[in-house]
Amino acid sequence: EPEVTQTPSHQVTQMGQEVILRCVPISNHLYFYWYRQILGQKVEFLVSFYNNEISEKSEIFDDQFSVERPDGSNFTLKIRSTKLEDSAMYFCASSGVGGSVGEQFFGPGTRLTVL
Amino acid sequence: KNEVEQSPQNLTAQEGEFITINCSYSVGISALHWLQQHPGGGIVSLFMLSSGKKKHGRLIATINIQEKHSSLHITASHPRDSAVYICAVGNTGNQFYFGTGTSLTVIP
Repeated sequence: EPEVTQTPSHQVTQMGQEVILRCVPISNHLYFYWYRQILGQKVEFLVSFYNNEISEKSEIFDDQFSVERPDGSNFTLKIRSTKLEDSAMYFCASSGVGGSVGEQFFGPGTRLTVL
Repeated sequence: KNEVEQSPQNLTAQEGEFITINCSYSVGISALHWLQQHPGGGIVSLFMLSSGKKKHGRLIATINIQEKHSSLHITASHPRDSAVYICAVGNTGNQFYFGTGTSLTVIP
């Protein structure tokens, strides 16, 4: 069964460093998402992406964040200069249908720890 | 402000009990999603609803658009149903708002 994969599973970084979180969505999906979940808190929407463009982004997704689909398979989230409060689990998801009406398939997450 | 409210926050049930988790939302939506988050953290989509009712095995989800309310029911609950159940709503764009989740523990 096709699945969304994410690498690495755990990333530890120093404050101020850049990190890139990687996701491989399901191959025929066209809509991609990043979410984060701070430990003990609810899941929060970061950004949605379609046709090589950001569709929507939340207030959390400021200039420190960027997303890219560098090739036909990967979807990346970059945090330019990490802060302590960026420590969270980051989930990627993909969907074959957009406009929030498509079932989303989630990756297993990347746990980011900023020291 | 919370665009999505869930209740209860925590729920403990005996195996075999009928369980209901409620979700109310305040934003205009295109669809409502019920998700299951396993103890290890993984998230699985259970349902996507824009109207009416859906059933999958022992799970039933309903939505009342006028009242901005949805319920997730689990019939004949089992310990393997123990997880966090999350309600999320998607607006007419592609933005999503999540509830804080309901932590369900089913005791054998």
